[in-house]
Amino acid sequence: GAVVSQHPSWVICKSGTSVKIECRSLDFQATTMFWYRQFPKQSLMLMATSNEGSKATYEQGVEKDKFLINHASLTLSTLTVTSAHPEDSSFYICSAHGGLAGEEETQYFGPGTRLLVL
Amino acid sequence: RKEVEQDPGPFNVPEGATVAFNCTYSNSASQSFFWYRQDCRKEPKLLMSVYSSGNEDGRFTAQLNRASQYISLLIRDSKLSDSATYLCVVNGAGSYQLTFGKGTKLSVIP
Repeated sequence: GAVVSQHPSWVICKSGTSVKIECRSLDFQATTMFWYRQFPKQSLMLMATSNEGSKATYEQGVEKDKFLINHASLTLSTLTVTSAHPEDSSFYICSAHGGLAGEEETQYFGPGTRLLVL
Repeated sequence: RKEVEQDPGPFNVPEGATVAFNCTYSNSASQSFFWYRQDCRKEPKLLMSVYSSGNEDGRFTAQLNRASQYISLLIRDSKLSDSATYLCVVNGAGSYQLTFGKGTKLSVIP
């Protein structure tokens, strides 16, 4: 199956720092990427949908100025958590859609980025 | 009513047991249905898609009842390696967005 990578896998930072997370589709072009957040013992919650070359669509309750998303190419989307605070500590996971022929409905998930804000 | 609802478990079963997970979804316009597996501190991985006719993949059988808006997953002959959280996932109509249930935790005990 298709491969999606995320970098970094772990981030520990001080409150007020901005953190950038990269999501790459390694062997296919992803027309759409999704960013999720998962708190402990909770389900994955969709934060935003990122389409290459256009503005991201944010879910209700997700601040677009807080979580900046850039999808500059068909293989890369970035999520920047601006001025991170302890309550932003979470597991951030991206997924990419638009993969291999016959698997168009499938979303491939990155390995996730664990963010801890002190 | 939550969009995708699952029994949170945990289900603790002995090796070799058969275990069934249930899931209900609220959006009757939902088009696609999946079971994902998530290991502790890892990303979700697609286990199988779920079709109205039902489908089987080795020890795993998935069923969909659109009238009742109900999805199930049956695992036969449980292995220790089956221990994980199983996520019921639904794809909305005309959208590629996935909605996840909170997951059902399974622990297979020796």
